Amino acid sequence: EVQLLVSGGALVQPGGSLRLSCAASGFTFSRCAMGWVRQAPGKGLEWVSTISGRGATTYYAESVKGRFTISRDNSTSTLFLQMNSLRVDDTAIYYCAKAPPLVTGYFDHWGLGTPVTVSP
Amino acid sequence: DIQLTQSPSTLSAFVGDRVTITCRASQSITTWLAWYQQKPGKAPNLLIYKASALQSGVPSRFSGSGSGTEFTLTINSLQPDDLGTYYCQQYNRAWTFGQGTKVEIK
Repeated sequence: EVQLLVSGGALVQPGGSLRLSCAASGFTFSRCAMGWVRQAPGKGLEWVSTISGRGATTYYAESVKGRFTISRDNSTSTLFLQMNSLRVDDTAIYYCAKAPPLVTGYFDHWGLGTPVTVSP
Repeated sequence: DIQLTQSPSTLSAFVGDRVTITCRASQSITTWLAWYQQKPGKAPNLLIYKASALQSGVPSRFSGSGSGTEFTLTINSLQPDDLGTYYCQQYNRAWTFGQGTKVEIK
């Protein structure tokens, strides 16, 4: 059974930093691209970032480019999102999601999400 | 950036009705489109990928169609468990979600 356990969400001040983690199990982690998607309170889904299976290629939404860094540790099946220079409009539930093996596109499993609140 | 526009924003229907949601892309995305269902307080769940392929485990009353810039998600015989918000997502160039369609049961 695929499991994606997300952690690291917290209350942080504007300009601060946070690192999210997503511990994966139940599938061959290194064969699957992974991504982060967020959802601001009462709003729709917003794609944030995606990383290829081996970690060689990363993609970012314009809204987070230069501030967020996605990475992965295939030896521990863990996905990360380093978030720097946080802004109030980064406040959201952050979901970790996996793509099917060898596919970089849609997400076939999602974690429960972790809340990030950026507030003075 | 590729924009996705869903219509309607909200939809209210009876159990047993056939429901259709439309997703329009700002440029051609061939068939690189997925549909997700999100129930209140839950993570999204994949329904359809590549515009019309049904994800394993998803009831057959859900179907997707379209190509290019216009796509539809159809729910045949709406069930109480189908309430939630539905999102389309393109993956032709980067990733973009539509703004969502909230489905309510009358």
